[in-house]
Amino acid sequence: AQRVTQPEKLLSVFKGAPVELKCNYSYSGSPELFWYVQYSRQRLQLLLRHISRESIKGFTADLNKGETSFHLKKPFAQEEDSAMYYCALRGGNKLVFGAGTILRVKS
Amino acid sequence: EAGVTQFPSHSVIEKGQTVTLRCDPISGHDNLYWYRRVMGKEIKFLLHFVKESKQDESGMPNNRFLAERTGGTYSTLKVQPAELEDSGVYFCASSQDPAGKAEAFFGQGTRLTVV
Repeated sequence: AQRVTQPEKLLSVFKGAPVELKCNYSYSGSPELFWYVQYSRQRLQLLLRHISRESIKGFTADLNKGETSFHLKKPFAQEEDSAMYYCALRGGNKLVFGAGTILRVKS
Repeated sequence: EAGVTQFPSHSVIEKGQTVTLRCDPISGHDNLYWYRRVMGKEIKFLLHFVKESKQDESGMPNNRFLAERTGGTYSTLKVQPAELEDSGVYFCASSQDPAGKAEAFFGQGTRLTVV
């Protein structure tokens, strides 16, 4: 079965603190994983994908096949990072999403 | 460049009524997807069009939902008759290639409330 689990509904941190948004997946085969973000009153948009191995807005995510995880990390949170974050995997031609985590960065 | 556009942004209807949601994808994008997020739960796939053909409709909840994409341009998703559990946010996305191979661009979503 293809499944994405984001165990935290809400993560609240102070500005400048490290952030880790957790994502675990279930998938047979080699997964393609993504993080999508939805800022307030904006549309859902791609933040990063594991195959790109890039850092976007200071965020990185490493695919750990042994732990079936794809956690999103940022060393120093900023207030503008406050948003809803979705982890997703590509299952066939469609995306399978987790339930999302609200990140709230407090000043 | 215009992004994916969805109409209406909000809809409140009574149980038993009919509602039609519309999605205009990015011009030139053959792939069009419908997804739905029910309150507090994950965004779930409904169906996938390639041009005017339904490639995968495995996520459609039941036969009260009908999606069309005449001419391979815009798409409509009709719910008839609507039930309370149909409430949620309906997202449309489009891509040049199937999701994952090319980035999927999402619309703002339509928030449907069935009362």
